[in-house]
Amino acid sequence: QKEVEQNSGPLSVPEGAIASLNCTYSDRGSQSFFWYRQYSGKSPELIMFIYSNGDKEDGRFTAQLNKASQYVSLLIRDSQPSDSATYLCAVNGPGGYQKVTFGTGTKLQVIP
Amino acid sequence: DTEVTQTPKHLVMGMTNKKSLKCEQHMGHRAMYWYKQKAKKPPELMFVYSYEKLSINESVPSRFSPECPNSSLLNLHLHALQPEDSALYLCASSQEGGYSPLHFGNGTRLTVT
Repeated sequence: QKEVEQNSGPLSVPEGAIASLNCTYSDRGSQSFFWYRQYSGKSPELIMFIYSNGDKEDGRFTAQLNKASQYVSLLIRDSQPSDSATYLCAVNGPGGYQKVTFGTGTKLQVIP
Repeated sequence: DTEVTQTPKHLVMGMTNKKSLKCEQHMGHRAMYWYKQKAKKPPELMFVYSYEKLSINESVPSRFSPECPNSSLLNLHLHALQPEDSALYLCASSQEGGYSPLHFGNGTRLTVT
């Protein structure tokens, strides 16, 4: 079982729609959960982080965490073509709090 | 502008060369990282310095050697690399290790010929 799993996509959504990106993780001891956006050939850029169960909103982005189900998601409202990128889910652990493990990423395509 | 600066942006080196990648952070963070990313793959952790103490990914070959001169600087020394080491090398920093978000530099694109 992979430590952090994401659907590789591509996930295609029309402009203005809600994009829903999902991630599951294997280590129940994980404490911190992150979403990064990565454009082709560029470095990852932090979008959201969440530590507690529930929802966290920042502008058009909402992160959702359910530790019981070991599930974290990212919703992007009013999707724009500029949101087209690979979205990486990252989780701390296993191996200690210093080790952040990335999922393989979901490629999002927003169609104008 | 990124607050984590990596140099050089691009590096081409032969298998017998010795080179170094450099990273500097201006965020007051106490943890710094080296990640390696191959095309269409996620970043893979190589090394962590937290409060200037090194943690190693045991699978990283000894031809990669990290150095942390102080809490703001991080180097990666390269020696006798192989073509399969060609990748994007990412430096990152964070406030308190894994509980805090990583802030990445722009990366160094390394090609080994």
